[in-house]
Amino acid sequence: QQQVKQSPQSLIVQKGGISIINCAYENTAFDYFPWYQQFPGKGPALLIAIRPDVSEKKEGRFTISFNKSAKQFSLHIMDSQPGDSATYFCAASIQGAQKLVFGQGTRLTINP
Amino acid sequence: NAGVTQTPKFQVLKTGQSMTLQCAQDMNHEYMSWYRQDPGMGLRLIHYSVGAGITDQGEVPNGYNVSRSTTEDFPLRLLSAAPSQTSVYFCASSYRPVGQPQHFGDGTRLSIL
Repeated sequence: QQQVKQSPQSLIVQKGGISIINCAYENTAFDYFPWYQQFPGKGPALLIAIRPDVSEKKEGRFTISFNKSAKQFSLHIMDSQPGDSATYFCAASIQGAQKLVFGQGTRLTINP
Repeated sequence: NAGVTQTPKFQVLKTGQSMTLQCAQDMNHEYMSWYRQDPGMGLRLIHYSVGAGITDQGEVPNGYNVSRSTTEDFPLRLLSAAPSQTSVYFCASSYRPVGQPQHFGDGTRLSIL
């Protein structure tokens, strides 16, 4: 049973466009929501994270939007660049718990 | 600063063989974990450890054993490899289980024939 559902599975965006990846969760006890970025042949690396006490967090061109009532959160990449081409994973966890639950991943391709 | 080091990078096994995937970190992290990554399945937690001598099961522990005798090392053992264990395996470490970045190694790509 997938506790965090991620969509789309793959996404193609033109250079300069906005990339949007969505995640949904069921467990209302989740209170930490990170996004990881993974390049081919490498391990995932933390990109940005949010807690449910805020509705949005922005770091450079990357923004997390969080909708607590809908139990959804999304990653927006503004002015997408070819160097952003990677696989992105959302994840969720409970404060004090000892494990992260990952979404299925989205393969993002930015066409030049 | 090496971070998280996984060896080997690639391995091919025959069904029924055993092997150990190595993971070492030099950041003095208490928390270490093993994930497997399969297409369309994301990263699934196999086993984790909150400190030397303490391990616990994750989401998909069957067929895998772990031990943690030192803070630095967290090996993953396949006792009798099965084709279903063909996957890419990632080790990760952090100061705490959640709320802080998980530092991942670059993975071991394992094929079971």
